[in-house]
Amino acid sequence: KAGVTQTPRYLIKTRGQQVTLSCSPISGHRSVSWYQQTPGQGLQFLFEYFSETQRNKGNFPGRFSGRQFSNSRSEMNVSTLELGDSALYLCASSWTSGRNEQFFGPGTRLTVL
Amino acid sequence: KNEVEQSPQNLTAQEGEFITINCSYSVGISALHWLQQHPGGGIVSLFMLSSGKKKHGRLIATINIQEKHSSLHITASHPRDSAVYICAVRSGSRLTFGEGTQLTVNP
Repeated sequence: KAGVTQTPRYLIKTRGQQVTLSCSPISGHRSVSWYQQTPGQGLQFLFEYFSETQRNKGNFPGRFSGRQFSNSRSEMNVSTLELGDSALYLCASSWTSGRNEQFFGPGTRLTVL
Repeated sequence: KNEVEQSPQNLTAQEGEFITINCSYSVGISALHWLQQHPGGGIVSLFMLSSGKKKHGRLIATINIQEKHSSLHITASHPRDSAVYICAVRSGSRLTFGEGTQLTVNP
């Protein structure tokens, strides 16, 4: 069974631009969570989607948004990029929301110049 | 004070040594995860615990819910165990992470 895939793996943007990252969960998994990892803040929870609904959201500004499609694939969008948005963005999938082991994707490394 | 505290932050060991990484948390949780992150960023889930003890190969994880404390043990450590080990606690559908422990095992 294929693992969690994320595209693109690397991305360079400039301040003010917007970006969309994609995550394809393991087949059959219906929950997708997104995380941001930076050297200063470590890993932080962004949001979780389950059955196309946002179930939980971390403490991030409204510039960070996401969605989930009927095939459980998820996208996250960051608008008006800031230098501090440079990070590794990880998604993780699980069978259901909140009770199962999560399987992580390889991440998308975003650099904002 | 962080909700999840790990110790030590850095750990250097010789091959074959027994290693312990500790995690303390201050919030109510439904489960605790131990994760391993290698250079390059990939994260692997090692354990998910809600009580007691789990063992997988040379890795053992324990949790004491009353004391809000968990430990990850590595027996007979090997250089390939070198990685960052991260403790994360689950509350609802949200994970809160510790800062990680950088483990280096020298041959």
